[in-house]
Amino acid sequence: NAGVTQTPKFRVLKTGQSMTLLCAQDMNHEYMYWYRQDPGMGLRLIHYSVGEGTTAKGEVPDGYNVSRLKKQNFLLGLESAAPSQTSVYFCASSSQGLAGQFFGPGTRLTVL
Amino acid sequence: TQLLEQSPQFLSIQEGENLTVYCNSSSVFSSLQWYRQEPGEGPVLLVTVVTGGEVKKLKRLTFQFGDARKDSSLHITAAQPGDTGLYLCAGHGSSNTGKLIFGQGTTLQVKP
Repeated sequence: NAGVTQTPKFRVLKTGQSMTLLCAQDMNHEYMYWYRQDPGMGLRLIHYSVGEGTTAKGEVPDGYNVSRLKKQNFLLGLESAAPSQTSVYFCASSSQGLAGQFFGPGTRLTVL
Repeated sequence: TQLLEQSPQFLSIQEGENLTVYCNSSSVFSSLQWYRQEPGEGPVLLVTVVTGGEVKKLKRLTFQFGDARKDSSLHITAAQPGDTGLYLCAGHGSSNTGKLIFGQGTTLQVKP
């Protein structure tokens, strides 16, 4: 099992450009999450999904959109990147709401 | 808004010393988890505590959930260089959405 994988691992964007981050899990988990991690601020939840076809806003959703068309995939989109979105992005999944979460290796995004 | 405050934020100790990391909140959590993260990787779940007053041990690591389920602690006995990393506490609120609130993290450096 690969667990949770994220694509790409690194990306540099210019302000205003768009991009999509892909998260895939092979554990048949219902729940999936997107977080961003900034120095001194822990992880903050951007969006999450409790099942295929569902999405919901987390703590810091502005400037991001998500889609969960297939159970194993959770996509995070930035329509018009801003320097404030420079961060490390982590995807995670869990079998149920109160279960431990499995994290991917992260995507380091820089917006110039 | 539920918040988790971790202390200390940074800890540098010698191999063989003991240490305790604290995770505090004014809110009640239905469960609390501890994760460990190494540079360039995603967090990895160490333990989940659910019941007030619960104590769990993982080799040299002891985790405790406060009686009122508002705080938790992580105690490491005889720390080793391999314990070096970022330790994160995270709490589940009352809903079963899987949403986790993370503390800011404690960076631990164990010197040989």
